[in-house]
This record gives sequence, structure tokens and C-alpha cells, in this order.
Amino acid sequence: EAQVTQNPRYLITVTGKKLTVTCSQNMNHEYMSWYRQDPGLGLRQIYYSMNVEVTDKGDVPEGYKVSRKEKRNFPLILESPSPNQTSLYFCASSPSRPNTEAFFGQGTRLTVV
Amino acid sequence: DAKTTQPTSMDCAEGRAANLPCNHSTISGNEYVYWYRQIHSQGPQYIIHGLKNNETNEMASLIITEDRKSSTLILPHATLRDTAVYYCIVRGAGGTSYGKLTFGQGTILTVHP
Repeated sequence: EAQVTQNPRYLITVTGKKLTVTCSQNMNHEYMSWYRQDPGLGLRQIYYSMNVEVTDKGDVPEGYKVSRKEKRNFPLILESPSPNQTSLYFCASSPSRPNTEAFFGQGTRLTVV
Repeated sequence: DAKTTQPTSMDCAEGRAANLPCNHSTISGNEYVYWYRQIHSQGPQYIIHGLKNNETNEMASLIITEDRKSSTLILPHATLRDTAVYYCIVRGAGGTSYGKLTFGQGTILTVHP
């Protein structure tokens, strides 16, 4: 089954404690991205990757890092989380062709206290 | 990417067709119209997309006006499980823009028994 898998689904952490949210896709997609969703602000893109070792900033990259060492994985790293990063996070993947659909993960609800 | 305008909310009776409008008056020639929906806080789910021709799949139909400045998503026989936020998105076809989905506020569709 084609899917994008995020882990963990829920996470409560303390300010400043480094964390990683993993994202894996089994569809051999070139393009992967991370979004955050906040009430009233909708989904906003954090970072994206067009292929292995190719990453770039989205609209709200501050406080986040990503890496793309393998095609299937695109982890989101919060080096020093802060309360304003409390949000619902989604990973998405799609082929590199424009006339295609994007697949989203189930989401990770992160709370930073 | 072109901006889209959707009504904030709509109601529909179960079993009836739900027609969700979207305006995208600044759409350019190579941009696609995509529809996604989000049920509760789950990951957005792809519904359908099109360039200039009307499209139909097992979930819905997409009607795009001849000037491409607006479109309508049609759920032919709405069920209670179709209650969700529906997003109309204009997606670029070139460079890095093909991968990015710019979500607006969407339309909250409520299907009533």
C-alpha cells in the first residue's frame, strides 16, 4: 500500500530538548516536504526536498532542519524546540512530474512546554 | 502560485450532491487546479485535479470554466463521512513550484442526515 509514515504521532517535550520527527515514503517519490498546521494560519510549508541531498527552505523554516540522505526518508529536526513550535506537522511526498498527486502522512502533534 | 477564494462553510443533505465553488481568477496557463480535503486533523487527502478539461474519478467531478478563472468540485452523493474541510489549490507546473501546495482556509462542508 502506498503510504507516507510519520513517527511519532504524538509528542510532548520540553523547551530546548532536541527532537526528530521521522517521515518515510514507499512510493519512490523524488519530492518530499514538511508542513505545519496552526489554527487560523492553515498549512504552511517548512522545508522541501526535490531529491536526495537537495533541500531548500519553504515559507516558515526558522527553528527547523531537515536532511535527505536517502530517497525514502526526510526527517524533520528541531535542534532546540520552543513553545511556538507547538503545532500539527505533516510530511508529504509526490513524484517529480507536475500532473501528479501528493500523499500526506497521518500527522504528528507536537507540544513543547 | 495563484490565490484561490472559497466560501468559508457550506451545508449539504446526505444523499444530495455537494457543489463546492472556487475562484482562481489569476491562474496562469500551466497551473493546475487541485482539490484536497482534511477530515478532523488527519493528513490532507487528494481528491481530484485538472488543467482545463472537466475531470471525473471515483470520488468526485471537477468542472473548470472555459476561462479557467473558477471551478466547482462536485461530490455526487454526499455522505456523513464527506464532512471535512475542502481545499482548492492552484499548483504550478514548473521549477520547484510543482511540489508546493499553498493551502488557503478552505471550505468547511457539513453533511447533515
